[in-house]
Amino acid sequence: EVQLVEFGGGLVQSGGSLRLSCAGSGFTFSDHYMDWVRQAPGKGLEWVARIKNKDKSYTTEYAASVRDRFTISRDDSKNSLYLQMNSLKTEDTALYYCGDITFPGTHIWGQGTMVTVSS
Amino acid sequence: DIQMTQSPSAMSASVGDRVTITCRASQGINNYLAWFQQKPGKVPKRLIYTASSLQSGVPSRFSGSGSGTEFTLTISSLQPEDFATYFCLQYESYPLTFGQGTKLEIK
Repeated sequence: EVQLVEFGGGLVQSGGSLRLSCAGSGFTFSDHYMDWVRQAPGKGLEWVARIKNKDKSYTTEYAASVRDRFTISRDDSKNSLYLQMNSLKTEDTALYYCGDITFPGTHIWGQGTMVTVSS
Repeated sequence: DIQMTQSPSAMSASVGDRVTITCRASQGINNYLAWFQQKPGKVPKRLIYTASSLQSGVPSRFSGSGSGTEFTLTISSLQPEDFATYFCLQYESYPLTFGQGTKLEIK
């Protein structure tokens, strides 16, 4: 069974840092591009970042709203994806999902971890 | 950035109705478009990818069509479990961008 589990969310003050993790199982994690997507309470979906696979040199892409503050990384030996979030703002408050949201075929998407940034 | 404009933003319909939701891209996206369904408090579920490919396990009453800049999600005969919010996503270029969502409610 394909599974992704996110953890590391929590309450943090504005300006603080947090590191999210996402553990995959049931699929060949190393083959996949991996994304972080977030959803603020009562709002729509926002793509945050992507890291490609080894074949694509682990290239990263970011939304403008998080570039220079967030860093996406992965450890294929641990089937794990990470999001280091620095200089957090109240507008970063959201449920953060990990997944490969564009892989043709199997839909790979986690359950989410909540990040709350207080002022 | 490619802007995705969904319409309508909300609609009401009855069980058995045929429903169409549209997404327009601000530039061509070569069919790199997906549709997601989200129910309250639940994880988004992908229904369609590459504009018209039905996700495994998704009922055949859902279909996607379109090309270039205009895409549609059609539900041929609404079922009670289809009342949800629907989002489109373009993945032709970065940043990946979602439509703002269409909330489908019971009439």
